[in-house]
Amino acid sequence: SQTIHQWPATLVQPVGSPLSLECTVEGTSNPNLYWYRQAAGRGLQLLFYSVGIGQISSEVPQNLSASRPQDRQFILSSKKLLLSDSGFYLCAWSVAPTGRPNYGYTFGSGTRLTVV
Amino acid sequence: AQTVTQSQPEMSVQEAETVTLSCTYDTSESNYYLFWYKQPPSRQMILVIRQEAYKQQNATENRFSVNFQKAAKSFSLKISDSQLGDTAMYFCAFMKQNSGGYQKVTFGIGTKLQVIP
Repeated sequence: SQTIHQWPATLVQPVGSPLSLECTVEGTSNPNLYWYRQAAGRGLQLLFYSVGIGQISSEVPQNLSASRPQDRQFILSSKKLLLSDSGFYLCAWSVAPTGRPNYGYTFGSGTRLTVV
Repeated sequence: AQTVTQSQPEMSVQEAETVTLSCTYDTSESNYYLFWYKQPPSRQMILVIRQEAYKQQNATENRFSVNFQKAAKSFSLKISDSQLGDTAMYFCAFMKQNSGGYQKVTFGIGTKLQVIP
């Protein structure tokens, strides 16, 4: 069965420090991978998505970057964190569409990031 | 661009009662999927139920069912026999049917459901 791992679960970082959040998927190959951010009291904002190794697309300009060094690994990074980067970060994967049915996303357990 | 609207920021229901969460969406697509996700206090996003737009029959998963009105672009979630474990934020979501590439899911802002003992 497919599983998705995301770590760390919580993180407190000072302003200006670097960031690295990691997400790995097991039990599937060539998944589509996503990073979402959920700010307090708000919905989910798509940050990055990837349809293959080294292929990263950004939805919104920001202080963050993403990389996909391996097929089932997706990393969210920042060189210098801002206070506004605080939030709950979710990694998700989906099967590349080859027809019906489509089961949508499977999410990781999330990382709560607090920038102080 | 697709939009998803959840007009009920918060709702409450007595344990064992039934509650309906509303969702409307806007799209020009004819083939798409709709989902309800649950996010309990643990923050893990869990798929509750999904509906394929080409299917007229409403989806059902145990105590969870939907009322899908394609012409009205409405997709409400009914929870029967509410349980304390149903307390969570519920997100309505839309996904366009793509032939390839990534699948962008558009989420509503969520409805916070509290089940009262």
